[in-house]
Amino acid sequence: GAGVSQSPSNKVTEKGKDVELRCDPISGHTALYWYRQSLGQGLEFLIYFQGNSAPDKSGLPSDRFSAERTGGSVSTLTIQRTQQEDSAVYLCASSLGQAKGEAFFGQGTRLTVV
Amino acid sequence: KNEVEQSPQNLTAQEGEFITINCSYSVGISALHWLQQHPGGGIVSLFMLSSGKKKHGRLIATINIQEKHSSLHITASHPRDSAVYICAVNSGGSNYKLTFGKGTLLTVNP
Repeated sequence: GAGVSQSPSNKVTEKGKDVELRCDPISGHTALYWYRQSLGQGLEFLIYFQGNSAPDKSGLPSDRFSAERTGGSVSTLTIQRTQQEDSAVYLCASSLGQAKGEAFFGQGTRLTVV
Repeated sequence: KNEVEQSPQNLTAQEGEFITINCSYSVGISALHWLQQHPGGGIVSLFMLSSGKKKHGRLIATINIQEKHSSLHITASHPRDSAVYICAVNSGGSNYKLTFGKGTLLTVNP
């Protein structure tokens, strides 16, 4: 597609369930990032993938969060045993991967944990 | 103290007014971004700059590396400019990790 695609756009889940959020980056973009925007909070970095390098996971808030990127393209962010504080908009972005490459953002997945 | 500070936090203007949003940062950076987020919408990248000034339509972004300060200007503001404007910096290195300001909520009234 022409832009970064995220699915689902909205997800409501029960506390304790696992969820998977998907990001389909712009074709040819080697860098992919996940960010989180909690209600009333600014954006925070979660994880960064660059090509075949080991991902930068320094922003993941707990070991319940994990992400993978298969084939250098699609990425899945998994949250295990969801908690109410995980409710947020999860944003994915991609770029050409250069240090100064412009990032293009998806529309986000709004996750609500009830 | 947040590494990226924006001001003002909220801004209300009348259609046609000239608008300025400011961003100050405390770390060395390789690039600064201005992003726009409409209510319920995704984020759109407006500018990425590392020096000087960029212009796109009615939007102008400037950066002063020595003073660690950037401004986003909107000329002849319009209600459709109403959105949250977010400043973010890439503090460089081999990883691309944006640090975000908390955003400025702009409301332009007709």
